[in-house]
Amino acid sequence: EVQLVESGGGLVQPGRSLRLSCTASGFTFGDYAMSWVRQAPGKGLEWVGFIRSKAYGGTTEYAASVKGRFTISRDDSKSIAYLQMNSLKTEDTAVYYCTKPIAAAPIFDYWGQGTLVTVSS
Amino acid sequence: DIQMTQSPSSLSASVGDRVTITCQASQDISNYLNWYQQKPGKAPKLLIYDASNLETGVPSRFSGSGSGTDFTFTISSLQPEDIATYYCQQYDNLVTFGPGTKVDIK
Repeated sequence: EVQLVESGGGLVQPGRSLRLSCTASGFTFGDYAMSWVRQAPGKGLEWVGFIRSKAYGGTTEYAASVKGRFTISRDDSKSIAYLQMNSLKTEDTAVYYCTKPIAAAPIFDYWGQGTLVTVSS
Repeated sequence: DIQMTQSPSSLSASVGDRVTITCQASQDISNYLNWYQQKPGKAPKLLIYDASNLETGVPSRFSGSGSGTDFTFTISSLQPEDIATYYCQQYDNLVTFGPGTKVDIK
């Protein structure tokens, strides 16, 4: 059974950093790209970014709203994807979901339960 | 960047009604369009991928159609458990979600 478990959320002050983790199980983690999607309170879904599998170069793509501040990485030996968030802003407050695609395309068939990040002074 | 719009933003319908949601892309995205259902406090669930393909295990009352810039999502007979917000998502160029359509029971 595929499982994605996010961790690392919490309350953080503006300008500070936070790292989220997504621990995966039930599939061959290294074969898949992994994405992060967020949802501000009462708002819609916003794609944050993804990291391709090593077979596709392990490269990353980001939404314009987080580019240069957020970094996605992966440790295939541990089946964990990370979201490093720097220079956090109040508008980054959201539930952050880790997602797995069906195959090479970003069609998200599995989602984690989400972890809440609150950016506030 | 590709922008996605959805209409309506919300709707109320009776059990058994046919419900239709439209999604429009700001440029041609071929059939690279997915639909998700999100219930309050839960993660989204994939319903339709590549515009018209029903995800395994999803009831057949859900369907999708369209290509290019205009897409349609249909619930053929609304059930109480379909109360949720529905999102379209393009992946022709990176990823963009539509703003969502909230569906409730009249």
